[in-house]
Amino acid sequence: GQQVMQIPQYQHVQEGEDFTTYCNSSTTLSNIQWYKQRPGGHPVFLIQLVKSGEVKKQKRLTFQFGEAKKNSSLHITATQTTDVGTYFCASNSGGYQKVTFGTGTKLQVIP
Amino acid sequence: GAVVSQHPSWVICKSGTSVKIECRSLDFQATTMFWYRQFPKQSLMLMATSNEGSKATYEQGVEKDKFLINHASLTLSTLTVTSAHPEDSSFYICSAPRWSGGEQYFGPGTRLTVT
Repeated sequence: GQQVMQIPQYQHVQEGEDFTTYCNSSTTLSNIQWYKQRPGGHPVFLIQLVKSGEVKKQKRLTFQFGEAKKNSSLHITATQTTDVGTYFCASNSGGYQKVTFGTGTKLQVIP
Repeated sequence: GAVVSQHPSWVICKSGTSVKIECRSLDFQATTMFWYRQFPKQSLMLMATSNEGSKATYEQGVEKDKFLINHASLTLSTLTVTSAHPEDSSFYICSAPRWSGGEQYFGPGTRLTVT
């Protein structure tokens, strides 16, 4: 079945440094979604990418979908303590209903 | 944005008892809802797809008779953990998409502890 790996598993950064998490799939993805889960909370939707090579920005966050639609990245510029949490990529499959989550990257920001 | 609620938010039960968890979409109708479990420091593992008006679709390795799912209406799905054991202790989260292929709206989760 579809497996989506994320690297790194954990990342500690100093506040103000940049952060990037990568999502890789062995199969072509129909889309890519990114979610953020704060400690003790539930995942919250950030964005969805559909087109090959698509790039979207949300303030300090930049999301990219690879040309082959097998990988994606989330880049945060000048991290802040509010960015702390686990970032998951996810993708639809099974008739566009089922969502498979990546392994997640836990971000710690040191003030 | 869309709101999904879950009840209870946490529950402690004794081994051998059953626990029911409710998931409601508050401001939209959801013909499909999803149930996940999440162990500490791990990702969300899809357990089953709850379909309104038909049987749930379970992922490989998930016992149908242990995790009973009922999608009673377009806004309510329930997960019943039957004959709970300590290894069933986990964080259970439901989600629902507004439309097929759209983003998932997650409930706040239910932390189950089986003693």
